[in-house]
Amino acid sequence: SQTIHQWPATLVQPVGSPLSLECTVEGTSNPNLYWYRQAAGRGLQLLFYSIGIDQISSEVPQNLSASRPQDRQFILSSKKLLLSDSGFYLCAWTPGLAGGTDTQYFGPGTRLTVL
Amino acid sequence: AQRVTQPEKLLSVFKGAPVELKCNYSYSGSPELFWYVQYSRQRLQLLLRHISRESIKGFTADLNKGETSFHLKKPFAQEEDSAMYYCAQNRDDKIIFGKGTRLHILP
Repeated sequence: SQTIHQWPATLVQPVGSPLSLECTVEGTSNPNLYWYRQAAGRGLQLLFYSIGIDQISSEVPQNLSASRPQDRQFILSSKKLLLSDSGFYLCAWTPGLAGGTDTQYFGPGTRLTVL
Repeated sequence: AQRVTQPEKLLSVFKGAPVELKCNYSYSGSPELFWYVQYSRQRLQLLLRHISRESIKGFTADLNKGETSFHLKKPFAQEEDSAMYYCAQNRDDKIIFGKGTRLHILP
């Protein structure tokens, strides 16, 4: 069966420090991968999605970047965190083109607090 | 552990018939609950949240604390309502999603 992992679960970082959040998927191949953020009091916002290795689309201009060095690994990064980067970050996957379904499978999330 | 349960994986409803997508949550306090929708080949988008008590695209959802439910309802289904629907619970800015229900509107 497929599983999705995210770490860390909770992170407190000072302003200006770097960030690296990792997401990995097991039990499937060629998934589409997504990074979402929920800021306090708002709905979910799509940050990045990827249909393959090194194929990443950015949805909103921001202080963050994403990379996909392997088929089932998706990394969210920042060189210098801002206070506004605080929030809850969710990774998700959907089956690739061969999967034939749009069902999203969400990871457990990472709560990031920037001080 | 906090859970959001959507018992139906797939729901097929005839056009014009009423729709009810079930959602139960586990948090016993005062949760913040949402419904998200994803139409085919589109991004996930917020449909409604319980605190605003709004009606979007004819859908409503009432929080029932006694039954810990937040079912999504629409009196008359339309073909364009076919999509994946996710119920979600927000507590302390951590959002937990249900596994989703695929709504298929039959012509």
